[in-house]
Amino acid sequence: EIVLTQSPGTLSLSPGERATLSCRASQSVISTYLAWYQLKPGQAPRLLIYGASSRATGIPDRFSGSGSGTDFTLTISRLEPEDFAVYYCQQYGSSKYTFGQGTKLEIK
Amino acid sequence: EVQLLESGGNLVQPGGSLRLSCAASGFTFSSYAMNWVRQAPGKGLEWVSLIGGSGGSTYYADSVKGRLIISRDNSKNILYLQMNSLRAEDTALYYCAKRMSGGPQAFDFWGQGTMVTVSS
Repeated sequence: EIVLTQSPGTLSLSPGERATLSCRASQSVISTYLAWYQLKPGQAPRLLIYGASSRATGIPDRFSGSGSGTDFTLTISRLEPEDFAVYYCQQYGSSKYTFGQGTKLEIK
Repeated sequence: EVQLLESGGNLVQPGGSLRLSCAASGFTFSSYAMNWVRQAPGKGLEWVSLIGGSGGSTYYADSVKGRLIISRDNSKNILYLQMNSLRAEDTALYYCAKRMSGGPQAFDFWGQGTMVTVSS
């Protein structure tokens, strides 16, 4: 089973700053099968990025995804107040899905 | 507009059973694979199970195999999760999620979840 490790566990930044979230896989992941989600308390999870770098419908262009193989990155270019949340990466392989443990993005 | 509405969560004793439902609308339900994903209190997301659009193929996380059963009724646009032999570690918020079509294995729409608590 592929294990995804996200870093940092918590990221403290101010609105307007740039956020860089990392997701590292224990084995190579097919880029098509790598996604990023945003989760806020009391809300349904929201798909941000699929296929490692494609933005989902309605996602602002300040969100971008990159990477390949075992190293993937979610970048938020200029943080808005509504971006402070928990972010998860996800991969698919061998008929199973795994999520990273999450990165909490908090207001500094 | 795609909508997914989970129901059926409750407090149940260890060893008990429960059936969760997810009512879908706003898309051709039978054309899409569907999933259950859970989040235990204070923990991250954990994929539980997937069922293909026709219901003919199912997949499970090792942690629930043999105890939880996913199914669907395409005539009613409802996804189910039959939960048997429940354990304390099954306590979680359970989400249903629609998988995208095509190659990407991402979940593009999610419900708000239904809470299952396993405790005596």
